[in-house]
Amino acid sequence: KNQVEQSPQSLIILEGKNCTLQCNYTVSPFSNLRWYKQDTGRGPVSLTIMTFSENTKSNGRYTATLDADTKQSSLHITASQLSDSASYICVVSGPYSSASKIIFGSGTRLSIRP
Amino acid sequence: DSGVTQTPKHLITATGQRVTLRCSPRSGDLSVYWYQQSLDQGLQFLIQYYNGEERAKGNILERFSAQQFPDLHSELNLSSLELGDSALYFCASSVDKYPSTDTQYFGPGTRLTVL
Repeated sequence: KNQVEQSPQSLIILEGKNCTLQCNYTVSPFSNLRWYKQDTGRGPVSLTIMTFSENTKSNGRYTATLDADTKQSSLHITASQLSDSASYICVVSGPYSSASKIIFGSGTRLSIRP
Repeated sequence: DSGVTQTPKHLITATGQRVTLRCSPRSGDLSVYWYQQSLDQGLQFLIQYYNGEERAKGNILERFSAQQFPDLHSELNLSSLELGDSALYFCASSVDKYPSTDTQYFGPGTRLTVL
């Protein structure tokens, strides 16, 4: 069964600290993995997109890694800010031949405390 | 602001009714995706259109249908509504036909409440 599992479900850290969110998937075949940030009640915003041939992608203070062999990805947030408080969602897609495979993780809710 | 617009923002209706949600993609984007986000099932991909043609189907119920018009705006029609259809419905747009590494830009969503 195609699944995307994220951990932890929720995380609280102090402003200025770093954190790492995890995403494990069983989607096969695999095309790309995306990380989104979603503020409560708003649409998701794309952070990074990686194909199977990429193992790291950065977007400012956000760095995503991908290990296609172990089917694991992580999102590292550096020097957290209050505005980083949001849900972070991992999405795995199959190739265009199976475009219906767009599987979302349940997200990690991150809270940054001052 | 992503450049994707959705109307209405909120919709309250009764079970058994039919509603239409509207989405206008970013200028220049040919693909439109529809997603449903509910409390119990999270985000789910419903359907994709590219330049007026259905491109891919996800977990879309038979009671739901969509179309993309020549001006590229899209509508999602939900009929015979049930309480479980209450959710946030997002549309997203992108340039490419295939959901490869093309960035998808999400709209603000339509919150549907079925009473």
